[in-house]
Amino acid sequence: QVQLVQSGTEMKMPGASVNVSCKVSGQIFSLYGITWVRQAPGQGLEWIGWISANTAKTNYSPKLRGRVSVNTDRSTSTVHLELRNLISDDTAIYYCARDMGDRIDPWGQGTLVTVSS
Amino acid sequence: SSELTQDPAVSVVLGQTVSITCQGDSLRNYFASWYQQKSGQAPILLMYGKNNRPSGIPDRFSGSTSGDTASLTIIGAQAEDEADYYCGFRDKSRNYRVFGGGTRLTV
Repeated sequence: QVQLVQSGTEMKMPGASVNVSCKVSGQIFSLYGITWVRQAPGQGLEWIGWISANTAKTNYSPKLRGRVSVNTDRSTSTVHLELRNLISDDTAIYYCARDMGDRIDPWGQGTLVTVSS
Repeated sequence: SSELTQDPAVSVVLGQTVSITCQGDSLRNYFASWYQQKSGQAPILLMYGKNNRPSGIPDRFSGSTSGDTASLTIIGAQAEDEADYYCGFRDKSRNYRVFGGGTRLTV
């Protein structure tokens, strides 16, 4: 079955950048897009952005546009999220998930990113 | 507006029926999908489209839409259904996703 496995916990200083990876297995990589979602402590789900694994076309949340980038490495079936100029409000669990248009399924296990001085 | 509104918390007696609602103008044009998130876990897909359940999701869960409101109904709620529930949809015209604020269900 399709699995999305994410990279491990990150702790960063304010102003730094973070990269989170998401390796896809169990399907043809280019078949669907990948969506990124984050969840701050005790809060709800916030959509970050999306990439087509086929065309590498992207779209980002207006709130994060300019600080976020998503790209793919088709050779390793991996999607990468980069978030720059980190602030404390970026502290959250970051999830990748297969985006099938009318649904997001399955989700990765999540990556905790903590931004603190 | 692309916003989705959910009640922050809902409770149900074990074995009874409960509906969790999700309201937004965009739901007149798009079906919502529903996600269940148990404490400390990643969300999982619960319902999508008109009333579609992924394999492995119990049939006590069902979905419906009326006007600008989507509903997730649990018939015979179980203790393991205690979780946070989120609705969401993809705005195809602007190619971004929106989630509701989530509903914490207490059984």
